[in-house]
Order: sequence, then structure tokens, then C-alpha cells
Amino acid sequence: EPEVTQTPSHQVTQMGQEVILRCVPISNHLYFYWYRQILGQKVEFLVSFYNNEISEKSEIFDDQFSVERPDGSNFTLKIRSTKLEDSAMYFCASRQSGLDYGYTFGSGTRLTVV
Amino acid sequence: QQQVKQSPQSLIVQKGGISIINCAYENTAFDYFPWYQQFPGKGPALLIAIRPDVSEKKEGRFTISFNKSAKQFSLHIMDSQPGDSATYFCAASNRGANNLFFGTGTRLTVIP
Repeated sequence: EPEVTQTPSHQVTQMGQEVILRCVPISNHLYFYWYRQILGQKVEFLVSFYNNEISEKSEIFDDQFSVERPDGSNFTLKIRSTKLEDSAMYFCASRQSGLDYGYTFGSGTRLTVV
Repeated sequence: QQQVKQSPQSLIVQKGGISIINCAYENTAFDYFPWYQQFPGKGPALLIAIRPDVSEKKEGRFTISFNKSAKQFSLHIMDSQPGDSATYFCAASNRGANNLFFGTGTRLTVIP
């Protein structure tokens, strides 16, 4: 069964440092997403990406965040200057176009900011 | 603003029993209501989903009941098994928003 692959599985970084989280969505999917989950809390939407541009973003997705699809397979989330409160599990997801809303989530990257 | 409210926060059920998790939503534009199952250290996995044109959908031991007038939907797990122990999230979406709004999750524990 096709999977969304995320790397690394765990990233520890110092406050103020830049991090890049990587994702390989399912190859025939056209919509890409980043969600995050602070420990023990609900999953929160960050950003959606379609046709090489951001289609929607939440209030959480401020100027410190950016997304990119540098080639035909990878989808990245960059946090420019990490804060302690950025510590969370970050999930990449993708889905096909049309009426199928079936999101497929990756296993996540646990980001720890120290 | 909490778009999707979920209860209970945690649930303990005996093996073979019925697990029931409830969700309520506010936005009448929502037209897609999935349930996700999440095991520790893993991403949410789609379990079952329903659209508002039907009141019930069943897949194996899992059933979604949907009440459009009350803006509520629920997940029923029949014959609950220890392997069902996980966190369950309801969610809602509409085509215009292009993103999922998740509930706060229910940690289900099925006791052997």
C-alpha cells in the first residue's frame, strides 16, 4: 500500500536554529499538507499546497514557516528560527484530487526544541 | 473557535463490548466527516468516513452514525478488541476549506 514517508523521525534542535522537515507524498497525489500535534493535544492544520503554491494556511503558519516542493517528489516544511513552543509532532499528508477526501498521513517527525 | 468537539476524552471498554465516541460540529458547510485511528508514535490513519447525504455507514465492526439536524456524528466499535486500543479522532472538512478540522481525540483502552 502506498505510504507518505517522512524524515527524520526525530529531530532535536536548539532554539533559534532552522530546521527542515522532509516528506515524500504518494506519487499520484496532488494535494499536500502539513499538520502538527503538540503532545497529548489535537492535530492542527498548518498549511495546504496545490499546484506548486500554498492554497491555504492557518494562523499558526506565520512568517517563520515556509513550504517547498523542490522537485517532483519531495515536500518540505522549514522553520526558520525555532521556538520552544514549536516542539511537536509534525505530520505530512497527501491526497488525490476530486471528490476523494482520503488523506494519507505519514508517521510524523517529532521535533524537540531545546 | 473549536470547530469540532469530541467526547469522551478517554474510554475504557471490556473486550467484546461496544465503544461509542461522539462528535459535534458547528459549521454547516462541512460535508465530509472522517474518523482517524492513531497508535502511539504513528500518524493518524483513516478508519471510516461519511458524507451528510446518509445517516449511517458501516464497515466491518466500525459504524458511523450521522445526525445532520443535530450536527452530531458518532463512531461505534462493535465487539471491541484489545487491538482497537488507540486514540481516535473525529474530523470534518468542506471542499472550500481544503483542510481537516480535528476533534481533541479519545483515548480508547479495551481491557481483555
